[in-house]
Amino acid sequence: EAQVTQNPRYLITVTGKKLTVTCSQNMNHEYMSWYRQDPGLGLRQIYYSMNVEVTDKGDVPEGYKVSRKEKRNFPLILESPSPNQTSLYFCASADRGLSNQPQHFGDGTRLSIL
Amino acid sequence: QKEVEQNSGPLSVPEGAIASLNCTYSDRGSQSFFWYRQYSGKSPELIMFIYSNGDKEDGRFTAQLNKASQYVSLLIRDSQPSDSATYLCAVNMDTGRRALTFGSGTRLQVQP
Repeated sequence: EAQVTQNPRYLITVTGKKLTVTCSQNMNHEYMSWYRQDPGLGLRQIYYSMNVEVTDKGDVPEGYKVSRKEKRNFPLILESPSPNQTSLYFCASADRGLSNQPQHFGDGTRLSIL
Repeated sequence: QKEVEQNSGPLSVPEGAIASLNCTYSDRGSQSFFWYRQYSGKSPELIMFIYSNGDKEDGRFTAQLNKASQYVSLLIRDSQPSDSATYLCAVNMDTGRRALTFGSGTRLQVQP
C-alpha cells in the first residue's frame, strides 16, 4: 500500500528537549515536504526536499532542521523546541514535478511543547 | 505575500443539495490547483486537481477554474452527511520551490 508514515503520532514534551519526527514514504517519490497546521492559519510549509541531499526552506523554517540522506526518509528535527512550535505537523511527498503531481500526506503528528 | 483565500464557513447545505466552495488566489502565474478534504484531526486527502480553464468532473465533484478571474471552485453534487469536512484549496504558486500554498479551508456541514 502506497503511504507516507510519520512517527510519533502524538508527543508531549518540554521546552528545550531535542526531538525528531520521522517521515518515510514507499512510493519512490523525489519530492518531500513538511507542513505545520495551526487554527486559522492553514497549512504552512516548513522545509522541502527535491531529492536526496537537496533541501530548502519553506515559509516558516525557524527553529527546525531537516535532512534527506535517503530517498524514502525525511526527518524533521527540533533542536530546542519551544511552546510556539506546538502544532499539528504533516509530512507529504510527490512524484517528480509538483506542478502536475499532487502531494500525498502522512497521518500527522500532534506535538505539544510545554 | 502570495495568498489563497477561502471563506471559513461553516457552509451548511441539506442532504442531496449542491455544495459550492470557492477559492481565490493572488498569483496570476499560478498553474496548478488542488482541492483537499480534511476531516477533523485527520490528514488532507486529495479530491481533485485542475490545471486548465474550465470544468473538470469526477463523480459527484466538479472543479472549475477561471484563471482570468483568479478563481477556482469545487461543486459537490448530491451532498451526503459524510461530505461534512473542511475543504482546503491549494495552489502551486512558486514552481521553483514546488510549494503548495493552502487556504485556511471552508468547513462544510451537510444536514441529514
